[in-house]
Amino acid sequence: GAGVSQSPRYKVAKRGQDVALRCDPISGHVSLFWYQQALGQGPEFLTYFQNEAQLDKSGLPSDRFFAERPEGSVSTLKIQRTQQEDSAVYLCASSLGSKGTSGNEQFFGPGTRLTVL
Amino acid sequence: KNQVEQSPQSLIILEGKNCTLQCNYTVSPFSNLRWYKQDTGRGPVSLTIMTFSENTKSNGRYTATLDADTKQSSLHITASQLSDSASYICVVRGTGGYNKLIFGAGTRLAVHP
Repeated sequence: GAGVSQSPRYKVAKRGQDVALRCDPISGHVSLFWYQQALGQGPEFLTYFQNEAQLDKSGLPSDRFFAERPEGSVSTLKIQRTQQEDSAVYLCASSLGSKGTSGNEQFFGPGTRLTVL
Repeated sequence: KNQVEQSPQSLIILEGKNCTLQCNYTVSPFSNLRWYKQDTGRGPVSLTIMTFSENTKSNGRYTATLDADTKQSSLHITASQLSDSASYICVVRGTGGYNKLIFGAGTRLAVHP
């Protein structure tokens, strides 16, 4: 497809389960971002990849969160031993270049809604 | 304290009416400011982008303004339509490095017939 896709769209996990969320960015986009969006809030930055390199993971809330992009295209966000406070929408975005010029727009996927029971 | 604050938190207007959404930011130094529209269950979609040197930008019925001195922006929606019902998020990018964005919490707009 032409846009950013994410799967699954919805995920329900029992507390303590591990989950893996997938992001397929727009083909050829160098930069990939993961965000966490709590209900009624704006997205908050989690981590950033430039090709396969994870250049910033300062937003990951704990060491239970892990992201990878091994071949510089598809990315996976993994959450281990999920907790109720992990319930949120996880958004993925990609942009064409590696520098933040004013025209370097981030295109967002539809998100994965994670509910931890 | 949030670096990007929006008001009001939510707004209800009648179809055909105009409205203005506000955004105050403290991000400094500042590179650009975007307004995004986020429909329920969808990812944000960019409406406008302005650099510090621009003070207005239009996209159809959407007009954004920016005052870089007072660090304020507004999004004006003209002749609202039912399809304008969504969250509108103000997003600021600082300078340097990569394209790291700082999001406001959004204004949830409901347009009623």
